[in-house]
Amino acid sequence: NAGVMQNPRHLVRRRGQEARLRCSPMKGHSHVYWYRQLPEEGLKFMVYLQKENIIDESGMPKERFSAEFPKEGPSILRIQQVVRGDSAAYFCASSPQGGLDTEAFFGQGTRLTVV
Amino acid sequence: QQQVKQSPQSLIVQKGGISIINCAYENTAFDYFPWYQQFPGKGPALLIAIRPDVSEKKEGRFTISFNKSAKQFSLHIMDSQPGDSATYFCAAGLSGGYQKVTFGTGTKLQVIP
Repeated sequence: NAGVMQNPRHLVRRRGQEARLRCSPMKGHSHVYWYRQLPEEGLKFMVYLQKENIIDESGMPKERFSAEFPKEGPSILRIQQVVRGDSAAYFCASSPQGGLDTEAFFGQGTRLTVV
Repeated sequence: QQQVKQSPQSLIVQKGGISIINCAYENTAFDYFPWYQQFPGKGPALLIAIRPDVSEKKEGRFTISFNKSAKQFSLHIMDSQPGDSATYFCAAGLSGGYQKVTFGTGTKLQVIP
């Protein structure tokens, strides 16, 4: 059973471009979480999704950021019109159930650099 | 209210020594306190977690101590090894909820031979 797969591992975008980050959860996992890690900081929750549903997006910036987890395929975190402040490591985690009694497994992250 | 404060920011320990990392939280509603270990270039991995109904939990060389009245908890790594060199994050969450946890800022641990 492969772990949580994120791609690309590294992504460079110019200011104003779009960034698409993909997350394939572990097999059998239908719950996905996205976190952002700024340099020298802890991870900050962005959004929680189940298949085809956004459950909690309280950590998502109101503009330019969106997330989806379609019935088929990976979860996508989309950042439109990127700015330098979006440079960070973006991690997704997946779990088979939503509660804290089951462990969520993190991917290796996508490191986004905006130039 | 949602902050989790972690110290120290970095730590150097001799092989065989005890590594101690401390965290404090503000939101008394938190009732789930995990610790994560992150190696460079990797995602965090759950190391050990505690709920406030116990004051201590031990798994191998890793021990969490929890002080509910002080709203503090700490990670002790006994007999620290060079392979323990990593960044450690404490976190806090609500056990009735989902995997939405508030992370501390991290402690970079270096264990020297």
